[in-house]
Amino acid sequence: DAKTTQPNSMESNEEEPVHLPCNHSTISGTDYIHWYRQLPSQGPEYVIHGLTSNVNNRMASLAIAEDRKSSTLILHRATLRDAAVYYCILRGGTGGFKTIFGAGTRLFVKA
Amino acid sequence: DTGVSQNPRHKITKRGQNVTFRCDPISEHNRLYWYRQTLGQGPEFLTYFQNEAQLEKSRLLSDRFSAERPKGSFSTLEIQRTEQGDSAMYLCASSLAAAGGNEKLFFGSGTQLSVL
Repeated sequence: DAKTTQPNSMESNEEEPVHLPCNHSTISGTDYIHWYRQLPSQGPEYVIHGLTSNVNNRMASLAIAEDRKSSTLILHRATLRDAAVYYCILRGGTGGFKTIFGAGTRLFVKA
Repeated sequence: DTGVSQNPRHKITKRGQNVTFRCDPISEHNRLYWYRQTLGQGPEFLTYFQNEAQLEKSRLLSDRFSAERPKGSFSTLEIQRTEQGDSAMYLCASSLAAAGGNEKLFFGSGTQLSVL
């Protein structure tokens, strides 16, 4: 199963942009890159996903490297409510629909 | 759209007892997933259904675990003869099938199981 690698934790100041990196060097051509986040005592929440091109939505932007071996989730202006664990996962492709989660990146936002 | 609903939110049981959790997915979603999550770890895949068919089951899932999705609607996850190692958050997610991995997962708030 294709795996992703993320830093254990990152810190940001409120109202500043945050770039959360993810490495997925074994990604297959049919894997979609998904990002989810999880607040305390809640289930994961969908953030964004993409295949090859960069994607934007109301929550965030996803920048995908040209070789697709890495991606970056961009929160344009971090708020205290963005403090959560962020998971980068791969779906479809060789792993099918199991969706293997790693430990994610815990984002701390300072006021 | 009320989202994915899981019941109960919390369950405390004694070792050796059987427990059953319920998941009600978003109504039009045809895929349903069960995950288990322990403190500090990401969700761990257990099994998933497309409509009423259970298409994949994790090798980590022992024979004490069984899941059903009758009529392709709600799903139940049963754990027989619970052990202390079963203590975890059990998460359910649903999705509308799309080509490849081009579909969003919607998670419930989970059922927190504590085995004493």
